[in-house]
Amino acid sequence: EDKVVQSPLSLVVHEGDTVTLNCSYEVTNFRSLLWYKQEKKAPTFLFMLTSSGIEKKSGRLSSILDKKELFSILNITATQTGDSAVYLCAVESNSNYQLIWGAGTKLIIKP
Amino acid sequence: GAVVSQHPSRVICKSGTSVKIECRSLDFQATTMFWYRQFPKQSLMLMATSNEGSKATYEQGVEKDKFLINHASLTLSTLTVTSAHPEDSSFYICSGHQKGTQYFGPGTRLLVL
Repeated sequence: EDKVVQSPLSLVVHEGDTVTLNCSYEVTNFRSLLWYKQEKKAPTFLFMLTSSGIEKKSGRLSSILDKKELFSILNITATQTGDSAVYLCAVESNSNYQLIWGAGTKLIIKP
Repeated sequence: GAVVSQHPSRVICKSGTSVKIECRSLDFQATTMFWYRQFPKQSLMLMATSNEGSKATYEQGVEKDKFLINHASLTLSTLTVTSAHPEDSSFYICSGHQKGTQYFGPGTRLLVL
């Protein structure tokens, strides 16, 4: 059965800290892995990863995929209170092009 | 964990026909369900909020007569795309809400020819 597991489920850090969020997966016919940030109702797209070992960066956020070990990490450096959100990981399968979602990591940044 | 399913996973239809997409919460009761559209490499766009037993709340710019939502039970919400056109082709995702957490469905790919 396909599954995506995110860890930790929740995390509380202080402003300025660096955090690493994890996403591991077991999905047949892997196509891509996507990261989203959800603050309100609609998740905001962050990254799409398809190739192993290539880091994607956007400001203080970066992500990398390891297709051999079947996981991805999302790094946030110099965290700010505005980074507080639920971070979702989803894997797209080539089998039916549907998304398998992780449960999310709830990140709280304290001032 | 809480599971949300969608059916069908993929559908191809002719322009002018109507398509119904089902969203089910399999192991929990969802008083609120959300419907989203997603285009490749983009954020999910909230279309409407569906509450069991009442009318759905549509986001600005979403035609309620075109995208009919029915939330007849605590485990089922349906989205019907009426008189579909090629521009309605998209990836439609639903989510169920329980105890402050949203659980997302696997999505339905709609292609209108």
